[in-house]
Amino acid sequence: SQTIHQWPATLVQPVGSPLSLECTVEGTSNPNLYWYRQAAGRGLQLLFYSVGIGQISSEVPQNLSASRPQDRQFILSSKKLLLSDSGFYLCAWCILGTASGNTIYFGEGSWLTVV
Amino acid sequence: EDQVTQSPEALRLQEGESSSLNCSYTVSGLRGLFWYRQDPGKGPEFLFTLYSAGEEKEKERLKATLTKKESFLHITAPKPEDSATYLCAVQPYSSASKIIFGSGTRLSIRP
Repeated sequence: SQTIHQWPATLVQPVGSPLSLECTVEGTSNPNLYWYRQAAGRGLQLLFYSVGIGQISSEVPQNLSASRPQDRQFILSSKKLLLSDSGFYLCAWCILGTASGNTIYFGEGSWLTVV
Repeated sequence: EDQVTQSPEALRLQEGESSSLNCSYTVSGLRGLFWYRQDPGKGPEFLFTLYSAGEEKEKERLKATLTKKESFLHITAPKPEDSATYLCAVQPYSSASKIIFGSGTRLSIRP
């Protein structure tokens, strides 16, 4: 069965420091991968999605970036964090056009607090 | 522009009091509509996928229905453990790789 791992689960970073959140998926090949952000009490905002290695689509212009160095690995990065980057970051995956019906599955999330 | 709107933002019910959550959507061709449950501090948990108007799916006390403009999540005789935020999302044909979420409904069930 497929599983998704996301880490770290919680981190507190000072303004201006770098960020790296990592996500890996097991048990599937060539998934679509996603990074979402959720502000406290709010809905999910799509940040990036990837349909393959090295292919990244950005939905929101900001100081964050994403990379997909391997088929099942997705990394969210920043060179210099802002206070507004605080939030709950969720990695997700799906396989288009299969019996699972394009359902997107989420990791457990990473809480980022920028101080 | 593809858009998803959920209402109400928050709903408080007494245990056993049935109700419905609404998800209105505007999309250029619907590939799929999804419902998720999210507990505080956790990632969303998949509940249902609906593909075409008239389709219904059930799971325990939950039933999801779909029309051409909206979806409802009906909750029958809820229990306190049903308290969570319920999220709706759509996948458009125009960009199947993008899945767009609504802001959710926070459901609270009082014992």
